[in-house]
Amino acid sequence: QTVVTQEPSLTVSPGGTVTLTCASSTGAVTSGYFPNWFQQKPGQAPRALIYNTNNKHSWIPARFAGSLLGGKAALTLSGVQPEDEADYYCFLYYGGTWVFGGGTKLTV
Amino acid sequence: QVHLQESGPGLVKPSQTLSLTCTVSGGSISSDSDYWSWFRQPAGTGLEWIGHIYTSGSTNYNPSLKSRVAISVDSSKNQFSLRLNSVTAADTAIYYCAKKFFYWGPGTLVTVSS
Repeated sequence: QTVVTQEPSLTVSPGGTVTLTCASSTGAVTSGYFPNWFQQKPGQAPRALIYNTNNKHSWIPARFAGSLLGGKAALTLSGVQPEDEADYYCFLYYGGTWVFGGGTKLTV
Repeated sequence: QVHLQESGPGLVKPSQTLSLTCTVSGGSISSDSDYWSWFRQPAGTGLEWIGHIYTSGSTNYNPSLKSRVAISVDSSKNQFSLRLNSVTAADTAIYYCAKKFFYWGPGTLVTVSS
């Protein structure tokens, strides 16, 4: 059973910077896992942020960035805004199947 | 801009089949290189990928659901569908459809209860 692990919760001050990470029970996350990141606010559908590690959708503000960091996928928010308070999910590819992380609740 | 909308019964009895449809507007469901996805989210918990279907008709399913799930496309109606059989209370969730993983519908709540 593949497990994708994220920080359960993080807190950041407005204007600050925070990095959310996404680890795989199978080992280091690489670009071959095609990491995706989603944001979900209460009562709303998820919104796609990042695909294929660091590709940003056109509707996503510049303060969001995806990367690989220390064997994990990472999502960095710089200059955090109050409206960034949400749940964030990573999503990894495992040879034909996809698995979500448990999500990180970001408090601003 | 593509829009997706889920529809189907909000209540399904245990052991029966859950059937949902996703209607796509603002684009053709038959476009090359696209795939069409289903996800779900039980109340208060995280997201689960159910599976997706390519425009070629090939499918990929979550191994934990593979024996019970089928995704199909109806190009004439610009819709794709989800069928999940032998449902239990554990299948109660908000179900989302999406184009690839990028454009999502608003979701529909399905409750499994007698």
